[in-house]
Amino acid sequence: DAKTTQPDSMESTEGETVHLPCSHATISGNEYIYWYRQVPLQGPEYVTHGLQQNTTNSMAFLAIASDRKSSTLILTHVSLRDAAVYHCILRNNNRIFFGDGTQLVVKP
Amino acid sequence: EAAVTQSPRSKVAVTGGKVTLSCHQTNNHDYMYWYRQDTGHGLRLIHYSYVADSTEKGDIPDGYKASRPSQENFSLILELASLSQTAVYFCASSGLGGRGETLYFGSGTRLTVL
Repeated sequence: DAKTTQPDSMESTEGETVHLPCSHATISGNEYIYWYRQVPLQGPEYVTHGLQQNTTNSMAFLAIASDRKSSTLILTHVSLRDAAVYHCILRNNNRIFFGDGTQLVVKP
Repeated sequence: EAAVTQSPRSKVAVTGGKVTLSCHQTNNHDYMYWYRQDTGHGLRLIHYSYVADSTEKGDIPDGYKASRPSQENFSLILELASLSQTAVYFCASSGLGGRGETLYFGSGTRLTVL
């Protein structure tokens, strides 16, 4: 059973800010929220992760709801290189549950 | 930069044949994983290992064996390949395991069973 729910696809235009939502209503207290992205013919690439607090790095900002039942990956000034499938996953020790992800389409 | 290398990049196998997929990591990581991905879907965990000479079952282990002869190497073995095992297989490694460790993935092996 997938533990996260994401929209199948989203569209954006170069230079815009995009918000990728993820629902994880059954998350347990010791599970981290991870985001990976994947382009065709490549393995997933780490984007960011968090537990309770919002986090930011050079790739994205991760906003985590106060009840932890949802999160949003925020990409600013998107470019064509950001087009990928974005996976929101939960990690509890060695069990990592991938869903189908969100296909982000970026238009010029 | 963390590195996980898989071989071969692609393979065609016959039904009932034996297939071995190899993974090598230079990250000095304790944990290694094998996932499969079917077209248009997410990854599912097949086997993983946290120490040499020991492997653990993941979520979909049936039809697969794993071998961890050293910290750096982790193999996935299909003793009797079947059509349903056509997929892309990814190997990954991480540090001490646990919830805060990042996984590093290889580029995948595309397996076609005919």
